[in-house]
Amino acid sequence: NAGVMQNPRHLVRRRGQEARLRCSPMKGHSHVYWYRQLPEEGLKFMVYLQKENIIDESGMPKERFSAEFPKEGPSILRIQQVVRGDSAAYFCASSIGQAPSNQPQHFGDGTRLSIL
Amino acid sequence: AQSVTQLGSHVSVSEGALVLLRCNYSSSVPPYLFWYVQYPNQGLQLLLKYTSAATLVKGINGFEAEFKKSETSFHLTKPSAHMSDAAEYFCAVLGGNEKLTFGTGTRLTIIP
Repeated sequence: NAGVMQNPRHLVRRRGQEARLRCSPMKGHSHVYWYRQLPEEGLKFMVYLQKENIIDESGMPKERFSAEFPKEGPSILRIQQVVRGDSAAYFCASSIGQAPSNQPQHFGDGTRLSIL
Repeated sequence: AQSVTQLGSHVSVSEGALVLLRCNYSSSVPPYLFWYVQYPNQGLQLLLKYTSAATLVKGINGFEAEFKKSETSFHLTKPSAHMSDAAEYFCAVLGGNEKLTFGTGTRLTIIP
């Protein structure tokens, strides 16, 4: 399966711990996006990355959240000192990213984060 | 800034009946519009996209959508509903820096 791979599918953390979410884009895709979906809501953009660069992080909370997409390996979304409000489904998407800017983003199955 | 509004958070139709899911957009530039479907505990799957090539866009699973600039709408339709169409559907518009802005979703229920 050459789709977007996210792991883990489910993650349980206690308040104050760290959560690391991983995303491997589709083969040939160099653009990665992270979205958060709260219960009964649509997806909200968090961050857009290309290899080794953060392009747009306007949707990321200013504290505790960070994202990277290294030259080698998956993209990582890291949440430090998690709180109950971080409980959500986190989705990663990837695209080819070539102009024109209408290349569809392909989504992974998400990581469902639960904070105890 | 771009935005989309989905009218009706829940829609129920009988099996074999017409499916109509509504989406209106707001955009200061010609928009790129998308419909995605989400099955329980899964990610989003692209149904179709509008990229200004044709106003009537055909997608997968028998769905299609028509872009109407005068109404700023991009409604999703399917002539005959199937039980497997039960899912949540999201309309989205592509904004600056490639980020998608999603509507709040419409949960489609199919009545046998």
